[in-house]
Parts: sequence; structure tokens; C-alpha cells
Amino acid sequence: QKEVEQNSGPLSVPEGAIASLNCTYSDRGSQSFFWYRQYSGKSPELIMFIYSNGDKEDGRFTAQLNKASQYVSLLIRDSQPSDSATYLCAVLLTGTASKLTFGTGTRLQVTL
Amino acid sequence: DVKVTQSSRYLVKRTGEKVFLECVQDMDHENMFWYRQDPGLGLRLIYFSYDVKMKEKGDIPEGYSVSREKKERFSLILESASTNQTSMYLCASTLVSGAEAFFGQGTRLTVV
Repeated sequence: QKEVEQNSGPLSVPEGAIASLNCTYSDRGSQSFFWYRQYSGKSPELIMFIYSNGDKEDGRFTAQLNKASQYVSLLIRDSQPSDSATYLCAVLLTGTASKLTFGTGTRLQVTL
Repeated sequence: DVKVTQSSRYLVKRTGEKVFLECVQDMDHENMFWYRQDPGLGLRLIYFSYDVKMKEKGDIPEGYSVSREKKERFSLILESASTNQTSMYLCASTLVSGAEAFFGQGTRLTVV
């Protein structure tokens, strides 16, 4: 089992819809979770981080964490064509002071 | 703004060459990382460092070594480049464990 798993997509949503991106992780003790966005040919950039169970909202983005079920999700409201990118889930695994492990990413396409 | 700078954007090297990839960050970050990114495999951690002269193996350290003689600089060394090391290499840094990772612009290495 991979430590951090994501569906590779592509996930296609129409402009203005809600995009839902999901990520599961294997280490039950993980405490820190991150969502990065990566445009084609560019480096990843942080969108959100979440440490506690529940929802965290920032503008059009909402991160959701459920530690009991070991999943973290990212919702993008009012999706725009500029949101088309690959979204990477990253988890800081327990027992490793600094090791940040990434999923393979989900490619999102927002269609006009 | 944090700046992470990688020495080259594109590199072409021959099989068997010794290759140095350099990364410099300007915000006094404790932790530095080297990842490689391949289609379908996501970001995979090669090595990381949590202090000067300290290093830890990541998930795929074989064929690589690293050096961190100064806090701001983290070098990745391919002792004898092989074609299966053709990839995008990304350097990242974090202030402390669990903090946001900032990425360099990436080095696309081709080994022929």
C-alpha cells in the first residue's frame, strides 16, 4: 500500500462547479497535511495546510480532514479554468522529523 | 519572499558522468530536500537534511549522494549518471518540520 494515494484523474468539471479532490494515507499517526498545486512545467506551490479534524476554508478552497478514516480532501468552489492543474496531497509521516511524502497527484481540468 | 534557487533549469549529461545539482535557499530554513518527479510516479524523496552536515535517506537514495556544508546550500550528486536518472529534480526547503515547503524551479536532467 502506498503511503499517500490519490486518483490520478483527469478530473473534469465545468466552470463554476465544485471540484472535489481526495487523498488517503496509510500512517494513522500523521499530523500534518498539505495540498499543493502544480501547473504544467512549474514547481508545486502550497494552497492549504490542515492539522486538525474538520474543515478549513480559505477563499474558494476548503480542506477537509478525517483522521479516523485517514483521508484528506480539497474542495474548490466556483471552479475556474485557471484552476486546471495537478493537485498534490502531501503528508508529514510520524516517526520522521522532516519527511514530507507526496501522492502522485490528481490532474484537474476545468472546462468552459 | 522565500527563494529557493536551483543552479540549472536544463542539463544534458552523458552516461557515467558525475553530476552535481545545486540548490540554495535564502531564508535560513532548517530543512532541505531533493525530490525527483516522473510521470505517474509523483514526487519521490531522494534525500533530505535537517541541519548542516546532517542527511537522511529518502525513499529512493540509490545512485545519489548529497552534501550540506552550509545551511543555505544542499547539493545532490549523481556519482555515475545513468539513463534511468533522467528526470525532473526538485529542491525544497522548510523553516521547521511540518511547515510549508518552498520549491525551486526544478532541473530537468537528461542522461544520454
